[in-house]
Amino acid sequence: KNQVEQSPQSLIILEGKNCTLQCNYTVSPFSNLRWYKQDTGRGPVSLTIMTFSENTKSNGRYTATLDADTKQSSLHITASQLSDSASYICVVRGTDSNYQLIWGAGTKLIIKP
Amino acid sequence: NAGVMQNPRHLVRRRGQEARLRCSPMKGHSHVYWYRQLPEEGLKFMVYLQKENIIDESGMPKERFSAEFPKEGPSILRIQQVVRGDSAAYFCASSPPGGLVGTEAFFGQGTRLTVV
Repeated sequence: KNQVEQSPQSLIILEGKNCTLQCNYTVSPFSNLRWYKQDTGRGPVSLTIMTFSENTKSNGRYTATLDADTKQSSLHITASQLSDSASYICVVRGTDSNYQLIWGAGTKLIIKP
Repeated sequence: NAGVMQNPRHLVRRRGQEARLRCSPMKGHSHVYWYRQLPEEGLKFMVYLQKENIIDESGMPKERFSAEFPKEGPSILRIQQVVRGDSAAYFCASSPPGGLVGTEAFFGQGTRLTVV
């Protein structure tokens, strides 16, 4: 069964600290993996998209990594800011359809001053 | 170029009433996707539409739910005879022609439906 699992479920860190969020998936065949940020009460906003041939992709203070062999991805946030408080969702697209995205449940990140 | 526009942002309906949720995709986008999100849960795919066509409605309950994306105007998600379990946030996303093959899906702000 195609699944996307994220850990931890929630995370609290102090402003200025770094953190890493994990995503494991069993989607096969695999096309691409996306990380979205969802602020409370808002729609998800895309941070990165990576295909199986990409190992890392950065977007400002966000760096995503992908290991297609172990089916793992991580999102690293550097020098966290209060505005980083949000849910971070890992989403995987398989190649057996051109539209279905498999969504993880997300990691709820809280940045404390 | 405005983003994906959903309205209303908040909708309250009594049990048994109908709910109509609207989604205007980004300019130039011909693909629309509807998702439902329950509190503390991830998004769940409901339906995928192109102009005047439903491509996949496998995530949508067979009863009471319907969706359309007419040639002119917004996409509509319609829920008839709402029940308390329909209370959720409903998100619409759109993408350019070609679907989601390596392209972004842009999301609206969602409609929060509360059934009382």
